[in-house]
Amino acid sequence: GNSVTQMEGPVTLSEEAFLTINCTYTATGYPSLFWYVQYPGEGLQLLLKATKADDKGSNKGFEATYRKETTSFHLEKGSVQVSDSAVYFCALSGSNTGKLIFGQGTTLQVKP
Amino acid sequence: DTAVSQTPKYLVTQMGNDKSIKCEQNLGHDTMYWYKQDSKKFLKIMFSYNNKELIINETVPNRFSPKSPDKAHLNLHINSLELGDSAVYFCASSQSLAAPYNEQFFGPGTRLTVL
Repeated sequence: GNSVTQMEGPVTLSEEAFLTINCTYTATGYPSLFWYVQYPGEGLQLLLKATKADDKGSNKGFEATYRKETTSFHLEKGSVQVSDSAVYFCALSGSNTGKLIFGQGTTLQVKP
Repeated sequence: DTAVSQTPKYLVTQMGNDKSIKCEQNLGHDTMYWYKQDSKKFLKIMFSYNNKELIINETVPNRFSPKSPDKAHLNLHINSLELGDSAVYFCASSQSLAAPYNEQFFGPGTRLTVL
């Protein structure tokens, strides 16, 4: 079945450091890929998405490129801020049921 | 206006009790979902409804019964609560099933603690 694997956290960075959170997936067909962010005590918010191979999603300085050849959708940001501290979830949607399959989440902590 | 709202935000109850969580969306979406987030933050879908019709029932115990009185509401009733039901439950909605890349909008979550 479909699945998503993210790098283990927590990830601890200093402010202005470069961020990469790895995400790989297993799916049949051509899934859509997402990154969601969960700030402490809140629900999930869509951060960015990509719907086909080689698409790049971007938002708030974060980027991720849909790589079909490596089945990956790694999240990157050039310079993180303390306010980026949150849990980041990679997810895929591959069917017409709307079902999102999530990775296990990666906690990011950014220190001043 | 809150797009997806859930009540209550916190729910503390004894084992064996029956409880309900309510969800409402004001986005005009056709599709609604319930997700469970465990203590390790892992998120798993439980149910989805499209225009009040059950689409996904993800091998959830039948103690859990979703009800959709109209397409703006999806409530979750849980019978005979068990310790393992303690989790954060998130409601979400999306425009329709026609496009799997549609964004899902999440509610703020309901933290259920079973004692």
